Amino acid sequence: SQQGEEDPQALSIQEGENATMNCSYKTSINNLQWYRQNSGRGLVHLILIRSNEREKHSGRLRVTLDTSKKSSSLLITASRAADTASYFCAHAVRGSSNTGKLIFGQGTTLQVKP
Amino acid sequence: GAVVSQHPSWVICKSGTSVKIECRSLDFQATTMFWYRQFPKQSLMLMATSNEGSKATYEQGVEKDKFLINHASLTLSTLTVTSAHPEDSSFYICSATRLGVSDEQFFGPGTRLTVL
Repeated sequence: SQQGEEDPQALSIQEGENATMNCSYKTSINNLQWYRQNSGRGLVHLILIRSNEREKHSGRLRVTLDTSKKSSSLLITASRAADTASYFCAHAVRGSSNTGKLIFGQGTTLQVKP
Repeated sequence: GAVVSQHPSWVICKSGTSVKIECRSLDFQATTMFWYRQFPKQSLMLMATSNEGSKATYEQGVEKDKFLINHASLTLSTLTVTSAHPEDSSFYICSATRLGVSDEQFFGPGTRLTVL
């Protein structure tokens, strides 16, 4: 299976703390993306990092990518109760026949307690 | 911009019936649309990749005769679950890539299918 892995599976923190989620994948990638999903809802795109990038920021989000280790991390700083959701990484498989195809990680469920 | 809608948002049907789910890109032309299914507390699993005017490419283990995909235009793809059974109950999500921009997928809000 090409499906990526994420850890931790579940994370519970207090408001104001930082949350770090990790993601690993198995194939060569074009890019890696992070998504957020509130319970029973669709996905919200958070950030995309390309294979030639090592770090990217967007507001309170910081994403790193280590292609040598085939891993990525998502850091949410100064978390808020509204950040409570499931977070998924997804990587775009390199190769012309797979253009645009995303393989999702298993997800991390984040709970931020007020 | 880049809004994807799905209809219906939820559906309950009897075992043995067929259900059609629509995925529309509202404000852009979609080169490719993808269909995923998600079981409770699990991740998204890609079912098939759909390109306008051509046959869908199904992932291994997905029955193409059970999950019929039609991509008739650059803004509409449909997924029909034929002869649905309770084990088909799931959250079905579509996504679309914008013409000329293949990196980012825009996701629909999902359709909750419950088969009784």
